Amino acid sequence: QSVLTQPPSVSGAPGQRVTISCTGSSSNIGALYDVHWYQQLPGTAPKLLIFGNSNRPSGVPDRFSDSKSGTSASLAITGLQAEDEADYYCQSYDSSLSGYVFGTGTKVTVL
Amino acid sequence: QVTLKESGPALVKPTETLTLTCTFSGFSLTTTGMRVSWIRQRPGKALEWLARIDWDYDKFYSTSLRTRLTISTDTSKNQVVLTMTNMDPVDTATYYCARQRTKDGDAFDIWGQGTMVTVSS
Repeated sequence: QSVLTQPPSVSGAPGQRVTISCTGSSSNIGALYDVHWYQQLPGTAPKLLIFGNSNRPSGVPDRFSDSKSGTSASLAITGLQAEDEADYYCQSYDSSLSGYVFGTGTKVTVL
Repeated sequence: QVTLKESGPALVKPTETLTLTCTFSGFSLTTTGMRVSWIRQRPGKALEWLARIDWDYDKFYSTSLRTRLTISTDTSKNQVVLTMTNMDPVDTATYYCARQRTKDGDAFDIWGQGTMVTVSS
């Protein structure tokens, strides 16, 4: 089971801002391990969205941003667009498990 | 251009051993800081990390699946192989391989398209 907890779903109208939380613990996010975010469009492989300290791979618009505080992290999408409708996952490393962990996933719906 | 592609059987029987191959191009696994991992996704479920192999041939496994997994590489063929023993219907999933680089905080920066594996008699 996932050790990083995300809300099952979030929704917003086009142009709005939505945020996705990712709650971990002292053995992962709280231990200052990097948090990365992935976007998975329906029927496709995940795609890296944000990595490390708020870095975006080439081609990822700056509408996507992240933040981190304590044992939690968040992904924000501003200027929501229809093409943003997808599942989003956070990911980090867990020292107790000695391995990588993913969030439970959040489905973003554009109303 | 960096690409990865998974291959293997679409159907395996319970108790059988699954062998998956990840064939990659556009990078060398022997380059310092390079890593390749296997990740799976059960239908409708979240992603689950399985195993990793590094540029120096170090290997790491999910603690929950450690006893069933083996990861290896054939650098001459640019391939990473994952074997999973004693397959069960709960192992039905899409299996992905993905590249990581230590300089990018070990993010899974490039993914294969995935290969769906069904475990059924």
